[in-house]
Amino acid sequence: EVQLVESGGGVVQPGRSLRLSCAASGFTFDDYAMHWVRQAPGKGLEWVSGISWNSGNIDYADSVKGRFTISRDNAKNSLFLQMNSLRAEDTAFYHCVKDDWGDFGGYFDYWGQGALVTVSS
Amino acid sequence: QSVLTQPPSVSGAPGQRVTISCTGGSSNIGAGYDVHWYQQLPGTAPKLLISRNTNRPSGVPDRFSGSKSGTSASLAITGLQADDEADYYCQSYDNSLSGSPFVFGTGTKVTVL
Repeated sequence: EVQLVESGGGVVQPGRSLRLSCAASGFTFDDYAMHWVRQAPGKGLEWVSGISWNSGNIDYADSVKGRFTISRDNAKNSLFLQMNSLRAEDTAFYHCVKDDWGDFGGYFDYWGQGALVTVSS
Repeated sequence: QSVLTQPPSVSGAPGQRVTISCTGGSSNIGAGYDVHWYQQLPGTAPKLLISRNTNRPSGVPDRFSGSKSGTSASLAITGLQADDEADYYCQSYDNSLSGSPFVFGTGTKVTVL
């Protein structure tokens, strides 16, 4: 059974940093691209960042480019999102999401429950 | 900012058929990229409902079907049931130089009357 479990969420002041982690199990992690998708409370879905199976292809939404960094550790079946210079508008549930393919262009076949990040003074 | 447009809400009585449209443009659906659909039940994470325009993953009832034509796609739910009440999102790939490569629809809330 595929499981994606996020951790590292919490309340942080504007301008500060936070690092999210995602522990993956139930599939061959290093065969697939992974993504972070966020959802502000009561709002729609927004793709944040993605990384291919070997970290050779990485991309970000314009809204987080230059502030967020995605990475993965295939040996530990883990995905990460380093979030710097956080803003109030970054407040959301952050979902760890598995792609159905090794590179970009597939669909999102499994989702974690999400980690809540609240940016507030 | 969503690139794909969906109606905010649709509703129907139990047993009825409802459809949800997803309208894009020449850089996403119109460029030939596949459309995928996700169901988000209240208080839960989104779940894949339809992949690559028409494919149902294992476990998804055949009451759910997808289609695509031109710059739009549609999700149909037949034999509407109470536990179909959820938010539904379409998703595709976008090749425009600005914005994100992965785009979602604005989301549609389905209400069973």
